This record gives sequence, structure tokens and C-alpha cells, in this order.
Amino acid sequence: EIVLTQSPGTLSLFPGERATLSCRASQSVSSYLAWYQQKPDQAPRLLIYGASSRATGIPDRFSGSGSGTDFTLTISRLEPEDFAVYYCQHYGSSPLYTFGRGTKLDIK
Amino acid sequence: EVHLLESGGGLVQPGGSLRLSCAASGFTFSSYALIWVRQAPGKGLEWVSAITGTGDTTYYADSVKGRFTISRDTSKNTLFLQMNSLRAEDAALYYCARVGDRTGWYPFDYWGQGTLVTVSS
Repeated sequence: EIVLTQSPGTLSLFPGERATLSCRASQSVSSYLAWYQQKPDQAPRLLIYGASSRATGIPDRFSGSGSGTDFTLTISRLEPEDFAVYYCQHYGSSPLYTFGRGTKLDIK
Repeated sequence: EVHLLESGGGLVQPGGSLRLSCAASGFTFSSYALIWVRQAPGKGLEWVSAITGTGDTTYYADSVKGRFTISRDTSKNTLFLQMNSLRAEDAALYYCARVGDRTGWYPFDYWGQGTLVTVSS
């Protein structure tokens, strides 16, 4: 079973700064990697799929990169509404879907 | 507009059963696979189960295999999750979501707001 390890667990930054979140897979997942954002008391929202494709309506300050085992979600300039928990997800193998444990992005 | 609305959560004793529903609207129901994901209080996301658009193939996480059954009723545009032999560790907010591509097992593009399951004596 593929395990996704996200780091850091918590990231504290100021609005306007650049955020870099990491997701590492225990074995290659090719580009079958997605990122979600979850705000308190809300359902997750799909940000990135295929490692680097933005989902519909997602601002271009969000970008994804990587392939194989190492992936990055970058938020170029943090807006107040970007402070949330971010999850990476592998899809398409067995088990069908796997999530990382999340990175909490805090306002400094 | 795509809309998913879960219901059926509540308090159940360990060993008990519960049936969750997810009413879908705004898209061609039979064209999309659907899934259940759960989130224990203060914890991360865990995929639970998936079903194809036709309903003929289902998948389960090992943690629920043999206890939970996913199904769908196209005439009612509704997804179900029958949960039996519930354990304390099944307590969570259960989300239904739509698989975002009709050609395979892709990420989830629309989510409901969740229904809360509490397992306690």
C-alpha cells in the first residue's frame, strides 16, 4: 500500500508570503496525485489533479509540481483565505484512494 | 449546478447499523462514479468506498470491508452506504463525493457537506 507523507505538519507564514508544501509517496505514483484544501467546518475542495493541473475555478497562485515520489504544492502569494489544511491524495491503484495526513497552513 | 446532500447520520451503539444516503442533483447521475470519504473529529481524510456509475463494481477500504456496503439507486439519484457492525473507530463525518472524470478513478470534484456518525454506548 502506498503511503503519502506530508511535510511540514504545520506551516506558519504571513499573508503575501510564498508557501511550499511537500508530499512524498512511499513508491512511485507517476502523476496520479491531487491536492485538496479544507477550511474549518467545510468539505474539502479539489485544487490540483494530475500533479500539476489546476481544477476549475482555482486561482493561478496555486500550482503543483512533481512526479514519481516527490510532489509540491506552491501558493505564490498567500491570501487570508488560503490559511487552511491541505491534503495530498493518490488515486487509481490499490487501495483506490490514499490521503496524506495533511499540512496545516497557519497565519503567523 | 452539482449538489450532493448527505443524510442518515446519528448516534448508534457499538455493533449497531446505520444507513447513510446522499441525494445528488445537477448532473447525469449514472455517468459518474461516486465515493464515500470519512473524517474522524480533528483528524484527516480517509477514503471508505467507491461505486461505478452503473453500480456494477464496488471498492472498499480494508478497514470497512465486509461490514459496509455501498449502493446506488439511479431512479432516485441517490447513493447509499449501509454500515453494519459499527465500531467506535467508525465515528466520523461521512462525506459523499463525485469522481471528477467519467473515464476512470480520478479525484473528487464535488463534495457534500457531510453527515455525522457517532458510535457510543
